[in-house]
Amino acid sequence: QKEVEQNSGPLSVPEGAIASLNCTYSDRGSQSFFWYRQYSGKSPELIMSIYSNGDKEDGRFTAQLNKASQYVSLLIRDSQPSDSATYLCAVPPSNDYKLSFGAGTTVTVRA
Amino acid sequence: GAVVSQHPSRVICKSGTSVKIECRSLDFQATTMFWYRQFPKQSLMLMATSNEGSKATYEQGVEKDKFLINHASLTLSTLTVTSAHPEDSSFYICSAPLPFNPGAEAFFGQGTRLTVV
Repeated sequence: QKEVEQNSGPLSVPEGAIASLNCTYSDRGSQSFFWYRQYSGKSPELIMSIYSNGDKEDGRFTAQLNKASQYVSLLIRDSQPSDSATYLCAVPPSNDYKLSFGAGTTVTVRA
Repeated sequence: GAVVSQHPSRVICKSGTSVKIECRSLDFQATTMFWYRQFPKQSLMLMATSNEGSKATYEQGVEKDKFLINHASLTLSTLTVTSAHPEDSSFYICSAPLPFNPGAEAFFGQGTRLTVV
């Protein structure tokens, strides 16, 4: 089993819709969960961090964490064409700095 | 967020030459840095973990004699691609986690697009 798995893409949504991205992880001891956005040809950019069960909202982004189910998700509300990118779920194992990345989900927002 | 600066952003070199890429943490001390490689339309592949003051740890399948890593200070790690060949052409990216807290956020440099001709 891979350490971090993301729902397969690509994901195409119309402008204004909600994009939903899912991620599962294998290390039950992990305490930190991150979502990165990577535009084509650019390096990843941290957009959300979540550490506790429940929801965390930041602008149009909402991260949801369920440690019991080992599941973390990212919702993008009112999707814009500028949200078109690859989104990477990253989870460091317990007591380690090394990030395990999912394969990424490519999102395309159609104008 | 914290700032990690990578230089150069783009380099073209001849086959057989060596290329050095620098990664600097500008506003925090990075005892650990990571080097990744990314081929087109593929995910990030961790190459090695750079540790300040000690030898780097390489992932399985990564040639340590070809990809030399030096982490001589708390703000600078360098990756040298030695005897570069066209198959080494890729996007190289460094990252640095905030220190003293395993599981802390990590920030990425801008990446270096290496083309070997």
